[in-house]
Amino acid sequence: DGGITQSPKYLFRKEGQNVTLSCEQNLNHDAMYWYRQDPGQGLRLIYYSQIVNDFQKGDIAEGYSVSREKKESFPLTVTSAQKNPTAFYLCASMLGQAFRASTEAFFGQGTRLTVV
Amino acid sequence: GQQVMQIPQYQHVQEGEDFTTYCNSSTTLSNIQWYKQRPGGHPVFLIQLVKSGEVKKQKRLTFQFGEAKKNSSLHITATQTTDVGTYFCAGRYAQKSTSYGKLTFGQGTILTVHP
Repeated sequence: DGGITQSPKYLFRKEGQNVTLSCEQNLNHDAMYWYRQDPGQGLRLIYYSQIVNDFQKGDIAEGYSVSREKKESFPLTVTSAQKNPTAFYLCASMLGQAFRASTEAFFGQGTRLTVV
Repeated sequence: GQQVMQIPQYQHVQEGEDFTTYCNSSTTLSNIQWYKQRPGGHPVFLIQLVKSGEVKKQKRLTFQFGEAKKNSSLHITATQTTDVGTYFCAGRYAQKSTSYGKLTFGQGTILTVHP
């Protein structure tokens, strides 16, 4: 089945530790996105990538890092520099690159990260 | 950078009442999309609007894109309990915009429907 997979669904980490969230898609989509969702605050863009080996900072990139070594994978690392990392993280992918007609974004099921 | 503002943040309605959520951008959008997120779920695509003044309907849902391509609305007629969730708009900016390539979401409107 084609889709976008995030793992794990729930993740607990101790304060000060880096943690990497996985996002894999087999939809052959060019663009991939990471969003953070906090209660009552909607979706805030962390990083996005429109093509392999290239990515751009979103609105709240501080304390996060990404890589796009393969078209199907866009992992997000939450570093110890992120002051308030506990949140629901959503990964999305989209077929169209920015210079083509955009299409819908497909979201993964999300990873709920709790830092204690 | 460019932002998409969405109001209201919350809306409580009785089943059968209508519901509307509004999105506004300070700069022209290339297109706008609408998503629904059920409680505990992830956003799911509803529709995309591209043309100035465009109106699209999906059963009880009516989507509009403003003439200036800076605002949009989603209207639900005669809400049902199955309509509960958070509705998001998401804007794409034109090629010359500093936010080109980004999919920028509004804050979302949380809809509660009382039976």
